[in-house]
Amino acid sequence: QKEVEQDPGPLSVPEGAIVSLNCTYSNSAFQYFMWYRQYSRKGPELLMYTYSSGNKEDGRFTAQVDKSSKYISLFIRDSQPSDSATYLCAMSGSTDSWGKLQFGAGTQVVVTP
Amino acid sequence: NAGVTQTPKFRVLKTGQSMTLLCAQDMNHEYMYWYRQDPGMGLRLIHYSVGEGTTAKGEVPDGYNVSRLKKQNFLLGLESAAPSQTSVYFCASSYSGQGTDTQYFGPGTRLTVL
Repeated sequence: QKEVEQDPGPLSVPEGAIVSLNCTYSNSAFQYFMWYRQYSRKGPELLMYTYSSGNKEDGRFTAQVDKSSKYISLFIRDSQPSDSATYLCAMSGSTDSWGKLQFGAGTQVVVTP
Repeated sequence: NAGVTQTPKFRVLKTGQSMTLLCAQDMNHEYMYWYRQDPGMGLRLIHYSVGEGTTAKGEVPDGYNVSRLKKQNFLLGLESAAPSQTSVYFCASSYSGQGTDTQYFGPGTRLTVL
């Protein structure tokens, strides 16, 4: 079983809709939770990160972490065609895993005009 | 400021051939990483380096070797390519190894092994 599970999609939504993405994980040592965005044929780029539990908002993006359920979410409000990309969750945790990130498989999102 | 660059962008190899992928960063980062990305598998760490002259194994190191002779460069070598190494390879770098530190990725190298 993978440490980080993420539905690969694709997830197709109309422009203006809310996009809801999530990942589950099994390692309770994870403390740092990140979302990367990857456009087609490009490298991933960091979108947001959250430490431990709670919510974090940045413009149209909201990241949530529920450590008790080992579940993280990313919401995109007022989605735009330019949000069409693959979104990867990533996490790291205990001292000996420092920068070694565990990635989900990524969810492909398609926002249709 | 180019960030992280990778050479080449594409390559086709025959089974048994060797090649070296080059990663360069101009951000003075200490940490560098090599990942491979396969459909349904996400990004998996191959090798990483915590500073010039150091290397360490990641999650899937078999069949690969690396070197970090200069701080700004991180080389990934395939000594005898196999079809299972067909993948997209990404290099990344970060200032430190802290969990809050951003990893910056290169544009990737698409490798096909026939």
